[in-house]
Amino acid sequence: EVQLVESGGGLVQPGGSLRLSCAASGFTFSNYAMHWVRQAPGKGLEYVSIISTDGGITHYANSMKGRFTISRDNSKNTLYLQMGSLRAEDTAVYYCARDLVGGAVDYWGQGTLVTVSS
Amino acid sequence: QSALTQPASVSGSPGQSITISCTGSSSDVGGYNYVSWYQQHPGKAPKLMIYEVSGRPSGVSDRFSGSKSGNTASLTISGLQAEDEADYYCRSYTSSSTYVFGTGTKVTVL
Repeated sequence: EVQLVESGGGLVQPGGSLRLSCAASGFTFSNYAMHWVRQAPGKGLEYVSIISTDGGITHYANSMKGRFTISRDNSKNTLYLQMGSLRAEDTAVYYCARDLVGGAVDYWGQGTLVTVSS
Repeated sequence: QSALTQPASVSGSPGQSITISCTGSSSDVGGYNYVSWYQQHPGKAPKLMIYEVSGRPSGVSDRFSGSKSGNTASLTISGLQAEDEADYYCRSYTSSSTYVFGTGTKVTVL
């Protein structure tokens, strides 16, 4: 059974940093591109970032470029999102998700809540 | 990258068909066949319903179908059922090698 389990969310002050992790199991992690998607409370889904199977190619939404870094450790079956210079508008549930094809994501984690507030 | 435009809400009676539109530009929806659709119930993670414009993942009911014309993609739900009541989002690949979601549509079953 495919499972994606996010962790690392919590309360952080504006300007602070946080690293999210996503532990994958039930499939060959190194064969799939992976995504981060977020959803602010009561709002819609927002694309964050994507990483290729070997981690060599990454892309980010414009508002996160330069502040967020996606990475992966295929030996640990784990996806990461390093977030810096956090702002109140970064408050959201962050989901990791597996790429099926063409950017469609077929499996999602349960999400981890990040709250940016003083 | 601006969000793709979806109607805020669509409603229908059980058994009816409804269609949700997703309008972008030639830099996203119109330029690529990488449009996917997601269903999200309150408090739950999204679920993939359609990929590559009209592909249906294993386990998704054939009552759900997708199409595209120009810069607008569409999701049609036929034989509307109570459990279809949820939020629906489209998503497209873009010319910037990123992805963009739609604004979301709340489907209500009357």
